[in-house]
Amino acid sequence: EVLLTQSPGTLSLSPGEGVTLSCRASQSVISNYLAWYQQKPGQAPRLLIYGASTRATDTPDRFSGSGSGTDFTLTISRLESEDFGLYYCQQYGSSPRTFGQGTKVEMK
Amino acid sequence: EVLLVESGGDSVQPGGSLRLSCAASGFIFNTYALSWVRQAPGKGLEWVSGMSATGGYTHYADSVKGRFTVSRDSSRNTLSLEMRSLRAEDTALYYCARLNTGTAAAASRGGYFDHWGQGTLVTVSS
Repeated sequence: EVLLTQSPGTLSLSPGEGVTLSCRASQSVISNYLAWYQQKPGQAPRLLIYGASTRATDTPDRFSGSGSGTDFTLTISRLESEDFGLYYCQQYGSSPRTFGQGTKVEMK
Repeated sequence: EVLLVESGGDSVQPGGSLRLSCAASGFIFNTYALSWVRQAPGKGLEWVSGMSATGGYTHYADSVKGRFTVSRDSSRNTLSLEMRSLRAEDTALYYCARLNTGTAAAASRGGYFDHWGQGTLVTVSS
């Protein structure tokens, strides 16, 4: 199965700062079928990005995804208070679908 | 509005059984694949099982294969997960999630989760 490794584990940032999250795959992600999800405490995950770079409906344009093959990133250009939480990458090109272990973005 | 509402979570002893349900609304049920994804307390997300739009194809994580069975009832717009021989490591919040596609392959790959329920908690403990 495709192992996804996210880094860093935790980021402590202030509103207004920019941030880049990394997701590295153990093998090439087929068709760049890579999604990003946001999860806030006590809530279900919410789709942010699919196909590595396409924003989902209602995803603000301060979120952007990029990458291909084995290296992918999620960038938040300017953090807003509602952006603090957990972020997971997930590949859906190979069976089984797998998730990264998550990156926590916390307020400094 | 797409809604997925899980139910059936409970506390059960190791070796026990449980049946989870996911009531779906707001979309044409038999045109989308559906999955179960779980999250152990304080841990990350783990895909558990998937079923194609028409129910003809299913797929399971190795960790639950042979113990869990997924099914769907289009007359009631409901996805179910029958869980047997439960273990402590099955303790988790179980989410029902819709895939963005309904293809046969989507039971196992090729689709992302565009809508999620709020989850139902399963606790396996003696």
